[in-house]
Amino acid sequence: DTEVTQTPKHLVMGMTNKKSLKCEQHMGHRAMYWYKQKAKKPPELMFVYSYEKLSINESVPSRFSPECPNSSLLNLHLHALQPEDSALYLCASSQERRGGWDTQYFGPGTRLTVL
Amino acid sequence: GNSVTQMEGPVTLSEEAFLTINCTYTATGYPSLFWYVQYPGEGLQLLLKATKADDKGSNKGFEATYRKETTSFHLEKGSVQVSDSAVYFCALSDQKGLGTGFQKLVFGTGTRLLVSP
Repeated sequence: DTEVTQTPKHLVMGMTNKKSLKCEQHMGHRAMYWYKQKAKKPPELMFVYSYEKLSINESVPSRFSPECPNSSLLNLHLHALQPEDSALYLCASSQERRGGWDTQYFGPGTRLTVL
Repeated sequence: GNSVTQMEGPVTLSEEAFLTINCTYTATGYPSLFWYVQYPGEGLQLLLKATKADDKGSNKGFEATYRKETTSFHLEKGSVQVSDSAVYFCALSDQKGLGTGFQKLVFGTGTRLLVSP
């Protein structure tokens, strides 16, 4: 089983709203990732959690706030977003193996529209 | 720095045609190489991978061989179907994330494939 689930599938929010994106995996993977993907572009890394600790923040604005409550769950809290933040938000996970980290498996994404 | 270069799209083919999507990379050390596919409105799915030189990854009729001498990982399929229409991303991970606590992927720009009946 290589399933990463994301909810909601679609989200429309105003610039003053607060919302959260959720990502879950039950593969025992200890690294979880948030990516942002604009139309016709490759995914851009936003955050990485490794063993539930934030390892990477790729200079993401503070209106995006990640959280990793446990090894299976990853959240992305959204507040005061701008219309240019509209994009597909992808979650991924990977497992550490001897010799390095294994393949990243992606979820289906949340399509976010900011009005 | 590390980078991945893919051929510009869209690639437009008729059903049952032969497919090649070129991918070349620049990296230090011995990266792992991946092809991901993204169908319309969906996330990325791993299509195939290769972790060392001369490895061949294959899945669903697609193949790619890790060529260190030409720093390439071209994607091929002998006979495409309409259902193969999607965006294909070539990617590498440098040093497999040793000592970093995670795997960092470097993506190419993606190649859109359109297959007509």
